[in-house]
Amino acid sequence: GQNIDQPTEMTATEGAIVQINCTYQTSGFNGLFWYQQHAGEAPTFLSYNVLDGLEEKGRFSSFLSRSKGYSYLLLKELQMKDSASYLCAVRDSNYQLIWGAGTKLIIKP
Amino acid sequence: IAGITQAPTSQILAAGRRMTLRCTQDMRHNAMYWYRQDLGLGLRLIHYSNTAGTTGKGEVPDGYSVSRANTDDFPLTLASAVPSQTSVYFCASSDSTGGSPLHFGNGTRLTVT
Repeated sequence: GQNIDQPTEMTATEGAIVQINCTYQTSGFNGLFWYQQHAGEAPTFLSYNVLDGLEEKGRFSSFLSRSKGYSYLLLKELQMKDSASYLCAVRDSNYQLIWGAGTKLIIKP
Repeated sequence: IAGITQAPTSQILAAGRRMTLRCTQDMRHNAMYWYRQDLGLGLRLIHYSNTAGTTGKGEVPDGYSVSRANTDDFPLTLASAVPSQTSVYFCASSDSTGGSPLHFGNGTRLTVT
């Protein structure tokens, strides 16, 4: 079966750096997405990786290793507003998105 | 403002009743999706449509139906609601290209009693 694994919850300190990991086992691979979802709101797109390596977007970076079935989202200079759930999703060979259950990130002052 | 609109925002529904959740987008996206999100579970695909006039079943289609008469609208119907359909429902759309992200509506919180 297809599977996406992420930690359920992580805690970090304001101003620090946090890395959220995502491992996947899917039928084929056509890209990996990271979304942010604040409580009670819709998911919003953060990043997309289809080739190995690091994609940087301001305070957020996303890394992909296709051979290891592994990605991470790196958040720098954490702010209280970064408290949210972070969802990892992989597009499989049928171009369907397979979603992880999400990682709830708690930022403490 | 371009985007995707869902209605209603929330609804309490008696079991056995019929309900249609509405979804409209003005981005001219070809693909549209309906997901449900339950605590501790990832987003689960109910139905999808790759283009107007076509629909497909997702991971959890039972008890739900959809139609795609035009590009903009993608309603989701619960023919006879059951308590297990209590969930938050998200409609989403995307361009057809592989790297295109999904754009989500604000969701409908449905409670079936």
